[in-house]
Amino acid sequence: DQQVKQNSPSLSVQEGRISILNCDYTNSMFDYFLWYKKYPAEGPTFLISISSIKDKNEDGRFTVFLNKSAKHLSLHIVPSQPGDSAVYFCAAISGNQFYFGTGTSLTVIP
Amino acid sequence: NAGVMQNPRHLVRRRGQEARLRCSPMKGHSHVYWYRQLPEEGLKFMVYLQKENIIDESGMPKERFSAEFPKEGPSILRIQQVVRGDSAAYFCASSAQRANYGYTFGSGTRLTVV
Repeated sequence: DQQVKQNSPSLSVQEGRISILNCDYTNSMFDYFLWYKKYPAEGPTFLISISSIKDKNEDGRFTVFLNKSAKHLSLHIVPSQPGDSAVYFCAAISGNQFYFGTGTSLTVIP
Repeated sequence: NAGVMQNPRHLVRRRGQEARLRCSPMKGHSHVYWYRQLPEEGLKFMVYLQKENIIDESGMPKERFSAEFPKEGPSILRIQQVVRGDSAAYFCASSAQRANYGYTFGSGTRLTVV
């Protein structure tokens, strides 16, 4: 039962353009959402988060948008850089647990 | 200022053997979480521990899997009588308190059962 879903397994974007990674969830009780970035052979690294009471959070080139009515979350990276190439996981918190999506592999083409 | 340390990085076990995965949390962190990533899947929660206590083990398989976080030493995830389906990457994370933000992950242990 996948409560957090990332339907695009991969995404390719030209350097300098915008990367948009999407995430859908089913549980309306989630109160916090996060994005993690993962390089091969490394653990996930926290990137940015958003509380369920907000609809936008921005940190430098990274912006997360939350649409509660659609149960949809997105991460925008502008401008995209080759070093952003990694797997991005969205996650949602309920109680003690983080629920992760299956990840989207982003490739930024120089 | 070492991060979360997991060892070994790679572990190969034959079917029926035991696997012991170790996780040393960041200094000052007393909360440890174990996650498993199966091939083609996202990370799945297994267990949440504080020192000497299991807080939430709702993600742990009912048999063969156990976890501990003793007063001294690392947290241990133990898998008895491993089967091929246990092959996965096992990640540990730690936090200073119950995590509302992104907690810190280790680099993982990749278990291969042959």
